[in-house]
Amino acid sequence: EPEVTQTPSHQVTQMGQEVILRCVPISNHLYFYWYRQILGQKVEFLVSFYNNEISEKSEIFDDQFSVERPDGSNFTLKIRSTKLEDSAMYFCASSDAGQGGDQPQHFGDGTRLSIL
Amino acid sequence: RKEVEQDPGPFNVPEGATVAFNCTYSNSASQSFFWYRQDCRKEPKLLMSVYSSGNEDGRFTAQLNRASQYISLLIRDSKLSDSATYLCVVLRSGSYIPTFGRGTSLIVHP
Repeated sequence: EPEVTQTPSHQVTQMGQEVILRCVPISNHLYFYWYRQILGQKVEFLVSFYNNEISEKSEIFDDQFSVERPDGSNFTLKIRSTKLEDSAMYFCASSDAGQGGDQPQHFGDGTRLSIL
Repeated sequence: RKEVEQDPGPFNVPEGATVAFNCTYSNSASQSFFWYRQDCRKEPKLLMSVYSSGNEDGRFTAQLNRASQYISLLIRDSKLSDSATYLCVVLRSGSYIPTFGRGTSLIVHP
């Protein structure tokens, strides 16, 4: 079964540094997403991406964050000037096309980001 | 009222038991509903979509009650491997932004 893959599995970074989290969505999917989950809390939507542009974003996704699809397979999340509170698990997901988002999303196994 | 609410549990049940979880949503424009399971420190995995007429997948049955704005998940003949957190996910009509509940923890013991 095709999978969403994420690298690295764990990233440790000094506060104030920039990090790039990488994802390879399922190849025939058209919608891509980033989520975060702070330890012990719920999964929170960050951003969705379709047709090479952001389609929706949450209030969490401020100027500190950016996404990119640099080639035909990778989908990246960049976090600038990291803060302690950015420590979380970051999940990438992808889904097929559908009407009004009725296609379920398939998640990668996440990148654990630890800010020191 | 939170957009998606779930009883956090934990629900502690013996093997073979039947257990049910509910999830309430506040936005009546919600259109798509899903149940995911999440094991500790792992990614959410789709368990099943929830259809208006209700649907079943093996030991799992999902129901939608639009009038009362809740969805339910019934697990029959619980297995030890069913121990996980069950996440309710709701999408509003015309949006691709899912809202996750905080999850309901299930512990199945021998």
